[in-house]
Amino acid sequence: TQLLEQSPQFLSIQEGENLTVYCNSSSVFSSLQWYRQEPGEGPVLLVTVVTGGEVKKLKRLTFQFGDARKDSSLHITAAQPGDTGLYLCAGALPSSGNTGKLIFGQGTTLQVKP
Amino acid sequence: ETGVTQSPTHLIKTRGQQVTLRCSSQSGHNTVSWYQQALGQGPQFIFQYYREEENGRGNFPPRFSGLQFPNYSSELNVNALELDDSALYLCASSVTGFNEQFFGPGTRLTVL
Repeated sequence: TQLLEQSPQFLSIQEGENLTVYCNSSSVFSSLQWYRQEPGEGPVLLVTVVTGGEVKKLKRLTFQFGDARKDSSLHITAAQPGDTGLYLCAGALPSSGNTGKLIFGQGTTLQVKP
Repeated sequence: ETGVTQSPTHLIKTRGQQVTLRCSSQSGHNTVSWYQQALGQGPQFIFQYYREEENGRGNFPPRFSGLQFPNYSSELNVNALELDDSALYLCASSVTGFNEQFFGPGTRLTVL
């Protein structure tokens, strides 16, 4: 059973469309991060959210942390082909302390067609 | 500022062999974590090293072991390789007490 469930797992859209990726759990996380990973490379950190209800914007990307700190979403406005990649959410459980153990979702593969 | 580097980039081994993967942490970071990422999956936490000692471990058998050196670089050792060990091995560095981790490009291990 995946502690962090991402949906959808695959998404193929046209350039200019909007999309939302969801990351859900029954557990409370002390923080949650979103990463983007391209083939053959390591994940690149996009954002960290810590406070329940927090909303962060990064250009066309909007990240939200749920009020109960159990879920998060990533919304992309006017997607571009350069947004193509694997999007991963990762959370730190309060019980992990300072071990830095991140729990990752299984990822959402996004393809933006020109 | 130098980012996280890993070596080698690719590696092919046969079942039963042993392998050592290397990681240099980002400048200013004192903690290194290792993750295994199977094809089409999210990374799975193997363990973390801080002050040259293991500081947290995921659900991996003892044949997965590691080291951290005084310069904060790290090694991941895997003994008695199995076919299922084929994966991308990622190293991430961070500053202790903070959950933001910065990943290297990974080592692609293939076990035949």
